[in-house]
Amino acid sequence: EAQVTQNPRYLITVTGKKLTVTCSQNMNHEYMSWYRQDPGLGLRQIYYSMNVEVTDKGDVPEGYKVSRKEKRNFPLILESPSPNQTSLYFCASSLADNQPQHFGDGTRLSIL
Amino acid sequence: AQSVTQLGSHVSVSEGALVLLRCNYSSSVPPYLFWYVQYPNQGLQLLLKYTTGATLVKGINGFEAEFKKSETSFHLTKPSAHMSDAAEYFCAVTATSGTYKYIFGTGTRLKVLA
Repeated sequence: EAQVTQNPRYLITVTGKKLTVTCSQNMNHEYMSWYRQDPGLGLRQIYYSMNVEVTDKGDVPEGYKVSRKEKRNFPLILESPSPNQTSLYFCASSLADNQPQHFGDGTRLSIL
Repeated sequence: AQSVTQLGSHVSVSEGALVLLRCNYSSSVPPYLFWYVQYPNQGLQLLLKYTTGATLVKGINGFEAEFKKSETSFHLTKPSAHMSDAAEYFCAVTATSGTYKYIFGTGTRLKVLA
């Protein structure tokens, strides 16, 4: 089954404790992206990747890091999480820039 | 620079009535336009997309949208609402080629009244 898998689905943690949210897709997609969803703000793009070893900033990259060492994986790293990063996070992938994105089920992060 | 505006954060319609969700965009280059739907506690699913060609595009579940360049709009419609259409709908834009930078609207929550 074609899917984008995010882990963990839920995480409660404390300020400053480094965390990684993993994202893996099994569709051999070139393009991957991370978003955060906040009430009233819709989805905002954090980082995206157009190929292995190629990443670029979206609209809200501050406080986040990503890497794309292999095509299927695109982890999101919060080196020193802060409460304003409490949000619902989605990973997505697509075959090309004009093709629809496939979304994961989301990761709800709470930073205390 | 690109932007997306969705008018109306909440829309209510009666079952069987026309659904109209508005989306206006701005883009300095020809855009790719998408509508996604999000059901509670789920990720987003594609409803329909416009890339090139026919400006009236049909999607899943009876939805359609028309790309109007002169009005910079991409409104989503469905002739007859069903209870199962209750969800949040997002319009999104990305530039044609060279980037994967996506801009989403703030969403419209559709409520369908029995």
